[in-house]
Amino acid sequence: EAAVTQSPRNKVTVTGGNVTLSCRQTNSHNYMYWYRQDTGHGLRLIHYSYGAGNLQIGDVPDGYKATRTTQEDFFLLLELASPSQTSLYFCASSDLGGYAEQFFGPGTRLTVL
Amino acid sequence: GEKVEQHQSTLSVREGDSAVINCTYTDTASSYFPWYKQEAGKSLHFVIDIRSNVDRKQSQRLTVLLDKKAKRFSLHITATQPEDSAIYFCAASNYGNEKITFGAGTKLTIKP
Repeated sequence: EAAVTQSPRNKVTVTGGNVTLSCRQTNSHNYMYWYRQDTGHGLRLIHYSYGAGNLQIGDVPDGYKATRTTQEDFFLLLELASPSQTSLYFCASSDLGGYAEQFFGPGTRLTVL
Repeated sequence: GEKVEQHQSTLSVREGDSAVINCTYTDTASSYFPWYKQEAGKSLHFVIDIRSNVDRKQSQRLTVLLDKKAKRFSLHITATQPEDSAIYFCAASNYGNEKITFGAGTKLTIKP
């Protein structure tokens, strides 16, 4: 079974702060995704990647950068955090992109004060 | 782009009754429709999916129905149990698409 881990699990920062969320998957999946979950909006795609060094823009990318350093590791960067980025962030992986099951990490709850 | 709408933000049924969660989509090219479950305080996990070459798929107490003409699909849960209480997300994509579009979620509560 695919394993996706995220760190930290909880993070509090201040407006203007710098935050990096980490995700690692151990199933050699090509695709990795960053989503944010907000009540009333479901899951919204921020960025995704289909391999090391690749980055694709999702549906709500403003204020976020991402980097895929290896097959296993995908990072989400908030360089000037704002209160509107307070959310629950999920990382997911998939071997066939949008046409197959996605495996989700446990989530990171980010609060921007 | 694709838009997926879940018509019920909440749904409450008595234990043992059936629950039906409905979704619609906009892109006629969509051909893959998975469902995910999120229990309270936890992450999402896949529960069942259907592809457009069939209009019905069953897995134990879960059945997914797909109506391509109406661009509508639904999740049916029979003989509901307390552990079915969760948020259920529908989603849509198609072959070759790298990303998937999720609905806003339906919070299902099973009452004793």
